[in-house]
Amino acid sequence: QQQVKQSPQSLIVQKGGISIINCAYENTAFDYFPWYQQFPGKGPALLIAIRPDVSEKKEGRFTISFNKSAKQFSLHIMDSQPGDSATYFCAASDPAGNKLTFGGGTRVLVKP
Amino acid sequence: DAGITQSPRHKVTETGTPVTLRCHQTENHRYMYWYRQDPGHGLRLIHYSYGVKDTDKGEVSDGYSVSRSKTEDFLLTLESATSSQTSVYFCAISFWGSGANVLTFGAGSRLTVL
Repeated sequence: QQQVKQSPQSLIVQKGGISIINCAYENTAFDYFPWYQQFPGKGPALLIAIRPDVSEKKEGRFTISFNKSAKQFSLHIMDSQPGDSATYFCAASDPAGNKLTFGGGTRVLVKP
Repeated sequence: DAGITQSPRHKVTETGTPVTLRCHQTENHRYMYWYRQDPGHGLRLIHYSYGVKDTDKGEVSDGYSVSRSKTEDFLLTLESATSSQTSVYFCAISFWGSGANVLTFGAGSRLTVL
């Protein structure tokens, strides 16, 4: 049973465009929702995170939108750049905060 | 990779052989994790440790065991490797930052079981 479902599996966007990745979760006890970015041959690295008490968080060109009632959250990459080409993972944390459950990942390719 | 060293980085082995992957950290973090990464499945938690000799199972622990005899080392053992355990394995530590537990991953160990 996959507790965090992520879509799409891959997407291609032109430089300057907007990349949108969606995630849905099932466990209403989750209370911390990070996004990780992974480049080929590297481990994932924390990109941005949100808690359910806010509906949106923005850091530079990256924005998380959070819909608590729908149990969904999404990552928007504005003005996408070739350097943003990577695999992105959404995740959700249990209340104790000691374990993360990850989505299946989205491979993003930004074409110049 | 924030003081996390995984070894070996690449290994090819045959079905039925034992395999041990090592994770070493230099920053004295209490929590350490082993995840496996497979296409379409993201990262799935195998085992984690919350202190020396304190470990617990994750969602895909069958066929794996772990040990932590020192704070800095967390070992993942496949007692008898199977082809379904071909994967990239990531070790991670967690630390408290920005009001939450943040995971930092190692560079990964690619295991191929023939």
